[in-house]
Amino acid sequence: ETVMTQSPDTLSVSLGERVTLSCRASQGVRNNVLWHQQKHGQAPRVIIYDASTRATGVPARFSGSGSGTEFTLTISDLQSEDCAVYYCQQYDDWPPWTFGQGTKVEI
Amino acid sequence: QVQLVQSGGDVVQPGRSLRLSCAASGFTLTSCAMHWVRQTPGKGLEWVAVISYDASNNYYADSVKGRFTVSRDLAKNILFLDMDSLRPEDTGIYYCAKLEYARIDYWGQGALVTVSS
Repeated sequence: ETVMTQSPDTLSVSLGERVTLSCRASQGVRNNVLWHQQKHGQAPRVIIYDASTRATGVPARFSGSGSGTEFTLTISDLQSEDCAVYYCQQYDDWPPWTFGQGTKVEI
Repeated sequence: QVQLVQSGGDVVQPGRSLRLSCAASGFTLTSCAMHWVRQTPGKGLEWVAVISYDASNNYYADSVKGRFTVSRDLAKNILFLDMDSLRPEDTGIYYCAKLEYARIDYWGQGALVTVSS
């Protein structure tokens, strides 16, 4: 089973700041990584797939990078509506499909 | 457009059964695989089960194997998760999710399952 580990657990940031979230896989997963955004009380939604491709309707301030075992989600010019928990997930080595524990972005 | 509308969440006693439903629209269940994923306070997001587009390859997490079964009603385009022998640790929000190849592209709104005496 591939374990996904995110850091940090919580990020306290200011509006307009550039934010970087990290995700590490316990073994190589090529670029088969998703990033999900979950706002309080809502279901998750996909914001990045294939490690770096923005899903439809996702603002350009969200970007993803990485391959193999190290992945990054960057939010440039943080907006108030970006406050959420962000999860990485791998879909290379399955079953099981595995998620990171999440990073909470708060202002 | 793709929509996944869930129902069936409830409070049940340990050892009892429950069926969750996920009504799909905007696509047919024969065109893609579908996940069930749960969210619990203790374990975060946890993959539970997957049914392939033709239902020939279904997989389950070790924690639910032998107790949970995923199935579909193709005439109504509804996905099901039948949960038997429920335990307190099965408490959580259960999401259905549509797959594009092996990756999630849409999530349902979730259904709360509480297992408690």
